[in-house]
Amino acid sequence: AQRVTQPEKLLSVFKGAPVELKCNYSYSGSPELFWYVQYSRQRLQLLLRHISRESIKGFTADLNKGETSFHLKKPFAQEEDSAMYYCALIAGGTSYGKLTFGQGTILTVHP
Amino acid sequence: DADVTQTPRNRITKTGKRIMLECSQTKGHDRMYWYRQDPGLGLRLIYYSFDVKDINKGEISDGYSVSRQAQAKFSLSLESAIPNQTALYFCATSDLAAGIVPGELFFGEGSRLTVL
Repeated sequence: AQRVTQPEKLLSVFKGAPVELKCNYSYSGSPELFWYVQYSRQRLQLLLRHISRESIKGFTADLNKGETSFHLKKPFAQEEDSAMYYCALIAGGTSYGKLTFGQGTILTVHP
Repeated sequence: DADVTQTPRNRITKTGKRIMLECSQTKGHDRMYWYRQDPGLGLRLIYYSFDVKDINKGEISDGYSVSRQAQAKFSLSLESAIPNQTALYFCATSDLAAGIVPGELFFGEGSRLTVL
């Protein structure tokens, strides 16, 4: 069975500081990994996926298969980045499309 | 705009009562999911359905049942509610159609359930 672990429940940084939200996973197959974000009074939504290798709102995440990690990084945090962040993994095979989420990390960016 | 709508948005009930949370979507997606969100535990999958005739248990299905009445409707029932089912419940949809990112879920606003 797959598992996603986000070791930090809360993370606080100051505006302009770098931020890294940690995500580790366990999965026997070839994983697809995602970051979802929930801003205050908004719906949970997709932020980025590792296959796209994209930068969204200044965030990037690199899949490290050796360390089974998919940490989310941003070099200069902004106050509007304050939100709940979830790392998620998608299983392949017949369950393709069923996401397993981590516990979530609440990021607070102070002015 | 195509949407995912959950009703009720808030509900307070008593132990032992039967509760139904409803989800409807106008996105035309085949796949629908019910998750619950608990502080420190994140989002956990209760049930999911990949089409009208397909119902699957998630990781925490005990105490819950679902009904996929149509492609657009997926209801979650608590036959006899208990206090540890107090949580925020989310419905979500997805699809494998062209133009949709595999793994992208579209969430409703959530239904907050309190069982006293």
